[in-house]
Amino acid sequence: ILNVEQSPQSLHVQEGDSTNFTCSFPSSNFYALHWYRWETAKSPEALFVMTLNGDEKKKGRISATLNTKEGYSYLYIKGSQPEDSATYLCAFILSFGAGTTVTVRA
Amino acid sequence: DTAVSQTPKYLVTQMGNDKSIKCEQNLGHDTMYWYKQDSKKFLKIMFSYNNKELIINETVPNRFSPKSPDKAHLNLHINSLELGDSAVYFCASSQDGTAVYYGYTFGSGTRLTVV
Repeated sequence: ILNVEQSPQSLHVQEGDSTNFTCSFPSSNFYALHWYRWETAKSPEALFVMTLNGDEKKKGRISATLNTKEGYSYLYIKGSQPEDSATYLCAFILSFGAGTTVTVRA
Repeated sequence: DTAVSQTPKYLVTQMGNDKSIKCEQNLGHDTMYWYKQDSKKFLKIMFSYNNKELIINETVPNRFSPKSPDKAHLNLHINSLELGDSAVYFCASSQDGTAVYYGYTFGSGTRLTVV
């Protein structure tokens, strides 16, 4: 089981504001990093697979970047909306981070 | 619908009972997993099967026994349930052996409450 850390644990964001948070993972023997979106009472759903150093992926207002050399990935939410409220998980091989719970206030 | 489906969604049972949670995927994936969401909401790997063979068996009490009759099914049987077993259990599948490149497709979870 690998050490995957996410920070902060939670975020409260005003509707329309942008935010970002971090996932850190072991930088040696990198394969791929996954981001998931997990809404309350649902199951985690895949957002992005990041495989190359410098990768940037985008889905609507959500984007992610990857730095494999230093072992971190950022997830960005631009112009947050209430429907963005969820826990965002990152996963490296079989290990998940504890998640960053985003609450967007209208 | 193509999916990972697990049943039951909720399970309330008394200490000492034996119970099973069933999981099925129709995605054609070779690998299936059981994860436990602990009290701090971490998802922790319990077991993984690749094409009916056990490939990952984390430090889990012997009371937990996975069974995979075929690659589309992975059931979790729990003997002599204890209060501490109360948690949400997620089944998942992936195209690759450790979900390295393709990631997971998750079931909807089973909330187990032991009273």
